[in-house]
Amino acid sequence: SYELTQPPSVSVSPGQTASISCSGYKLGDKYACWYQQKPGQSPVLVIHQDSKRPSGIPERFSGSNSGNTATLTISGTQAMDEADYYCQAWDSSTVVFGGGTKLTVL
Amino acid sequence: QVQLVESGGGLVKPGGSLRLSCAASGFTFSDYYMSWIRQAPGKGLEWVSYISSSNSYANYADSVKGRFTISRDNAKNSLYLQMNSLRAEDTAVYYCARLHRGGGSIHYFDYWGQGTLVTVSS
Repeated sequence: SYELTQPPSVSVSPGQTASISCSGYKLGDKYACWYQQKPGQSPVLVIHQDSKRPSGIPERFSGSNSGNTATLTISGTQAMDEADYYCQAWDSSTVVFGGGTKLTVL
Repeated sequence: QVQLVESGGGLVKPGGSLRLSCAASGFTFSDYYMSWIRQAPGKGLEWVSYISSSNSYANYADSVKGRFTISRDNAKNSLYLQMNSLRAEDTAVYYCARLHRGGGSIHYFDYWGQGTLVTVSS
């Protein structure tokens, strides 16, 4: 079965750029999306179709996808961005989530 | 505005059954595929199942195939998940999510409910 691999944790200083990777076989041939989940809350879509931001998502969130890796980038990271982030893609009509990355802003 | 409200969670013994519901509002429910996604305590997201807008097609994760059944009632704007033969590993928060389907396999979950907790324990 298809797998997406994310680093368990990423740390970033306020105002700096955070990058979260998501790796899967030929992931660049698929579309990747990203969800943000804060403690006790439901996931929120922050990037779809590799790099598109839904309405209401700040411009500091961006995405890319090429080769075997999709990347979520948060520029000028703020304390409010501290959360778990999950990548997601489709494979053979099934949904696959990455294991999630805890972003710590310190 | 789009709202998805899950209900039906609770404590159930191993081998038991439970039926989850999701009440949708704020959009034309019959136009959208819908899905259930779960999250075990302290763990990541796991897709469970999705169903087509017309109720004609459904797909399931291997972990629940043969035990769970997804269904919908477009007249009632409601999504359901019938869960049978429950196991301890099914313990999780179950989210209802709307599936946006675009051309060229551009599919993503654009709205999520608040979730309902299912605990399977003796």
